[in-house]
Amino acid sequence: GAGVSQSPRYKVAKRGQDVALRCDPISGHVSLFWYQQALGQGPEFLTYFQNEAQLDKSGLPSDRFFAERPEGSVSTLKIQRTQQEDSAVYLCASSLTGGSYEQYFGPGTRLTVT
Amino acid sequence: GQQLNQSPQSMFIQEGEDVSMNCTSSSIFNTWLWYKQDPGEGPVLLIALYKAGELTSNGRLTAQFGITRKDSFLNISASIPSDVGIYFCAGQLSAGKSTFGDGTTLTVKP
Repeated sequence: GAGVSQSPRYKVAKRGQDVALRCDPISGHVSLFWYQQALGQGPEFLTYFQNEAQLDKSGLPSDRFFAERPEGSVSTLKIQRTQQEDSAVYLCASSLTGGSYEQYFGPGTRLTVT
Repeated sequence: GQQLNQSPQSMFIQEGEDVSMNCTSSSIFNTWLWYKQDPGEGPVLLIALYKAGELTSNGRLTAQFGITRKDSFLNISASIPSDVGIYFCAGQLSAGKSTFGDGTTLTVKP
């Protein structure tokens, strides 16, 4: 069946540009998560939605990072005025219910800021 | 914040050997999960553990939730070349945010 999809798979941005990364969760999955994975490290939590409600945004590194999920399905992670330290793989995951611990990941978007 | 220490950082083993890796934390978790990540892909869930002391298997993989709730172990028996990849542990206090370790990179020599 269809898994979590993310687009674009690769994005190169010049420093200072804004970027938008899209996540399509598994159909019917209530919860959606964004993680940032730096090279050679494990994923780090950014934010979490249950349906359209953003329940936890404690991991967003600065106010340049903004995520939304307006209809409780597709989500967009936006990064304004990108900096070199934003270069990383951005992973999206979804889970079936709000009470489910098992998260299913997409392939990620590799962002390179030059 | 919470940090997970995974060891070893990397392993080079011969095909057919058994593998053990572990994950420790300075604080407790209520759930432990083990993932495998291949290059250019997202992590894939291998095993989820929900109770202290629990031992769970998935084919050649066996994982345990430590009794102190601060550690977990993953064993792979009779390794094969497709076991190559990065293995991550993750802990959760409640359904939602996962805290990940930095991974164990496994190389299997045929």
